Amino acid sequence: GENVEQHPSTLSVQEGDSAVIKCTYSDSASNYFPWYKQELGKRPQLIIDIRSNVGEKKDQRIAVTLNKTAKHFSLHITETQPEDSAVYFCAASLDYGQNFVFGPGTRLSVLP
Amino acid sequence: NAGVTQTPKFQVLKTGQSMTLQCAQDMNHNSMYWYRQDPGMGLRLIYYSASEGTTDKGEVPNGYNVSRLNKREFSLRLESAAPSQTSVYFCASYPRSGLGNTIYFGEGSWLTVV
Repeated sequence: GENVEQHPSTLSVQEGDSAVIKCTYSDSASNYFPWYKQELGKRPQLIIDIRSNVGEKKDQRIAVTLNKTAKHFSLHITETQPEDSAVYFCAASLDYGQNFVFGPGTRLSVLP
Repeated sequence: NAGVTQTPKFQVLKTGQSMTLQCAQDMNHNSMYWYRQDPGMGLRLIYYSASEGTTDKGEVPNGYNVSRLNKREFSLRLESAAPSQTSVYFCASYPRSGLGNTIYFGEGSWLTVV
């Protein structure tokens, strides 16, 4: 079955700097890759996603890139702000959404 | 539109007790899921239901049972709770395969087994 690895497990950046989180997946048939942000005590919420027919997607300060050949995708956050501090999860799935497999998460801390 | 609603939000059980976590979605989604979240382990799939009347095991099904009561409701039952089942449980739903869809989570249920 699918296996998703995520690095780093923790990341601290200074406010205004960029943050990059990388995930690798094992099943080349996976075709949908969402990213979720989870604040303390809250539910995971989708922040951005990418389909296998797209190499890059951007939404304001957040971008995701996908390298299907290498089977990895990355989350890029620019101009980080304290409210970006949270745990971020990547996921991979087949059939555009069935059987999601999540990475273990990255705890991002943005230091003022 | 409440989205995905799960109850209870907090529960303390004694070892060996049983309980059911309830989940309902009002978005007419086909698929529903139960995940557990432990520190440093991410979200692990317990069971899922691709459509009304079907259920399948996920990564960590042992010690749990599920019922897809109808299209709206998907319950998770612990028959004999164990301390290893102390976790945060998330119910989720998904419309159907296709572009533009994603998974929606409930607010979570914090379960402690003592």
